[in-house]
Amino acid sequence: QKEVEQNSGPLSVPEGAIASLNCTYSDRGSQSFFWYRQYSGKSPELIMSIYSNGDKEDGRFTAQLNKASQYVSLLIRDSQPSDSATYLCAVMDSNYQLIWGAGTKLIIKP
Amino acid sequence: DAGITQSPRHKVTETGTPVTLRCHQTENHRYMYWYRQDPGHGLRLIHYSYGVKDTDKGEVSDGYSVSRSKTEDFLLTLESATSSQTSVYFCATNRQSNYGYTFGSGTRLTVV
Repeated sequence: QKEVEQNSGPLSVPEGAIASLNCTYSDRGSQSFFWYRQYSGKSPELIMSIYSNGDKEDGRFTAQLNKASQYVSLLIRDSQPSDSATYLCAVMDSNYQLIWGAGTKLIIKP
Repeated sequence: DAGITQSPRHKVTETGTPVTLRCHQTENHRYMYWYRQDPGHGLRLIHYSYGVKDTDKGEVSDGYSVSRSKTEDFLLTLESATSSQTSVYFCATNRQSNYGYTFGSGTRLTVV
């Protein structure tokens, strides 16, 4: 059974600090990795995709991938109250099926 | 954005009645997906399509059927709705198989 694991949280971070969200996956053949943000009552929104080892930065967001450790993370710098949401990690397996984590609830405290 | 429209946005139906949810996309994406999302279960794949008339089952397909007669439309049918099918249903699309998905706004279905 292919799995993607995330801490459910909630993860509470002060405004202006760095929020660090983590995800591990079981399928070593996975090639594509995604972070989605989901506000309460809304649909998931793709915020980052990463395909190779290392860091990928987009504005305040940085995705980090370590395939050897089967680990992907999302860093949010200068956290804002509007970043409060559930963050879903999704991993595309070797059959191009997207395996979803259960999500981490992030709360940014003003 | 993929321009994905789901209809209806909300629906209340009675147990045993058939229900069809519609997903319409304007981006000519080849791949389309139906998910349900429930507290404690996360996103679960119901059915997906990799082209017109080409569909396959996901992990929770029992009680559901799909059809895709045109690239832009993907229909999800609950043949005989049950209370366990009360959920939020999301449609998603992507242009290539290894790309991230774009989601529609969802349909909240209540079966009473």
